[in-house]
Amino acid sequence: EDQVTQSPEALRLQEGESSSLNCSYTVSGLRGLFWYRQDPGKGPEFLFTLYSAGEEKEKERLKATLTKKESFLHITAPKPEDSATYLCAVRVTGANSKLTFGKGITLSVRP
Amino acid sequence: ETGVTQSPTHLIKTRGQQVTLRCSSQSGHNTVSWYQQALGQGPQFIFQYYREEENGRGNFPPRFSGLQFPNYSSELNVNALELDDSALYLCASSLGLAGHTGELFFGEGSRLTVL
Repeated sequence: EDQVTQSPEALRLQEGESSSLNCSYTVSGLRGLFWYRQDPGKGPEFLFTLYSAGEEKEKERLKATLTKKESFLHITAPKPEDSATYLCAVRVTGANSKLTFGKGITLSVRP
Repeated sequence: ETGVTQSPTHLIKTRGQQVTLRCSSQSGHNTVSWYQQALGQGPQFIFQYYREEENGRGNFPPRFSGLQFPNYSSELNVNALELDDSALYLCASSLGLAGHTGELFFGEGSRLTVL
């Protein structure tokens, strides 16, 4: 069974304190790994897609990386507006558009 | 460009009732997926519709059913509501069956409370 595990469950940072969020996965055949941001009471907002080990993508203070077993979302010098839940999801071979999500990591950035 | 819109945003039902949730996909998108997100959990795949036909289903009982219309909008129907059906129901649209770019565009969701 395909599994996605995110850690830690919650993370509290001081503004400017860089850190990383982890997403480990066990799948039969990876077709893509995705990061989404979700604000309270809202739908997930797409951030990145990674397709192969070694791939990296950046957007403002966020950088996503991928290995054969896990992905990291690095947050550099976070600001309070980066506070949200970050979801990791995988798409596997033969699953069409279905995404399997982890439980998410709730990030709080204090000013 | 119009994003994914869902209605209603909030609703309250009692056990045993039936509910219909609606979704308008993003302009140009022909594939719609529905997800259930319980509090504190990640979204769980319910099913997907492509060109008006169900194309993939998650581990949900038959009382969860759906439709996709010629304009690619969609409905999620849940019969015989149970307390555990209380959740945020998310609709996501994408272009193409395989969603090659991987991007699913989500709506704001419909918050269902079953009493």
